[in-house]
Amino acid sequence: AQSVTQPDIHITVSEGASLELRCNYSYGATPYLFWYVQSPGQGLQLLLKYFSGDTLVQGIKGFEAEFKRSQSSFNLRKPSVHWSDAAEYFCAVGRDTNAGKSTFGDGTTLTVKP
Amino acid sequence: EPEVTQTPSHQVTQMGQEVILRCVPISNHLYFYWYRQILGQKVEFLVSFYNNEISEKSEIFDDQFSVERPDGSNFTLKIRSTKLEDSAMYFCASSVFEQFFGPGTRLTVL
Repeated sequence: AQSVTQPDIHITVSEGASLELRCNYSYGATPYLFWYVQSPGQGLQLLLKYFSGDTLVQGIKGFEAEFKRSQSSFNLRKPSVHWSDAAEYFCAVGRDTNAGKSTFGDGTTLTVKP
Repeated sequence: EPEVTQTPSHQVTQMGQEVILRCVPISNHLYFYWYRQILGQKVEFLVSFYNNEISEKSEIFDDQFSVERPDGSNFTLKIRSTKLEDSAMYFCASSVFEQFFGPGTRLTVL
């Protein structure tokens, strides 16, 4: 069964500081990995995804993530956080079939200090 | 850019009532999904649908739930007799390859 662990429930960083959100997954084959951002009461916005190829993927809003198969990780990074990045971040793993469901982690709440 | 749409954005209902949540997937997509997110919790898979039948469902998707594609464009989730614990945000998604999520319907059961 596929699963996702986001070890950090809540992270606080200062504006302008770097950010890394951790994600570990469990999956029996090559995973499809995603990071979503959600503002309160809003829907899910896809930040970036990994299917295959280059293990460092670039996303929107200056985010990037690195797939490390040996560590079963897909950590999200941003070099300089903006106050508008404060939100809930979800990592998800999907199956390598078109009908495959996505399994989400519990999420990490990001607070940005001025 | 094509997008998944959902109606209504917010639905309030009384416990025991039936509700139907509607979704219009992206037009060339073949696979359809429903997820739910209880307030403050993670997004949970409910059901996937392909070729006019359920391809997978979770343990949450019990006999109170049903899905239908009544025409060529809509994809619906019906909850027959709502319970308080059905209060959540319900997300529809569709895919050819990667899933695209709709904005969600917030269901409040009183």
